[in-house]
Amino acid sequence: DAGVTQSPTHLIKTRGQQVTLRCSPKSGHDTVSWYQQALGQGPQFIFQYYEEEERQRGNFPDRFSGHQFPNYSSELNVNALLLGDSALYLCASSLGGFSYEQYFGPGTRLTVT
Amino acid sequence: AQKITQTQPGMFVQEKEAVTLDCTYDTSDQSYGLFWYKQPSSGEMIFLIYQGSYDEQNATEGRYSLNFQKARKSANLVISASQLGDSAMYFCAMREGPLNAGNNRKLIWGLGTSLAVNP
Repeated sequence: DAGVTQSPTHLIKTRGQQVTLRCSPKSGHDTVSWYQQALGQGPQFIFQYYEEEERQRGNFPDRFSGHQFPNYSSELNVNALLLGDSALYLCASSLGGFSYEQYFGPGTRLTVT
Repeated sequence: AQKITQTQPGMFVQEKEAVTLDCTYDTSDQSYGLFWYKQPSSGEMIFLIYQGSYDEQNATEGRYSLNFQKARKSANLVISASQLGDSAMYFCAMREGPLNAGNNRKLIWGLGTSLAVNP
């Protein structure tokens, strides 16, 4: 039973560039949530996708956007990268509304220089 | 506003001893869930234990137990018989509101506690 997978594991980008991070949920899960975790901080909720729609959004600017595909996998896009976007980006999957557990992937560590 | 507070930035415990990691929360919801996650240096968040606000019994999962004191709004994690592999960051998180279809509410996180287990 495959768990949550994320790609790439590490990424280095330059300020102003755009980045796409990918997440495949745990088998049987249909909901994907994205979190940003800065160094020494707890994760901050970015947004959640269910049935290919953004259902909830945290306090993040429009530079952060996402998508969910029919197979429930998801992408996180960040435009016009800032130094402050450097963080670990975590993807979590769950069974929409019926499971309290969110399973997390290993994360993508993004460094913006 | 919902908030999670973890007041212990770092904790040390001797191998095989028990340790308690503190977590207090603030919410105006009557229905909520409390979680503890472990994050090793590899970065992956590992689910440890869950307590629903209406659960009368304290949750237990193997060596992990949650000391839930609703009136005090605290949800402390107790790890018994600490092992070297328990060294990691530990995060307390809260999900506000009931579970509904297609509405798996977001988690609000504390800043974490770094636990070091000494041999």
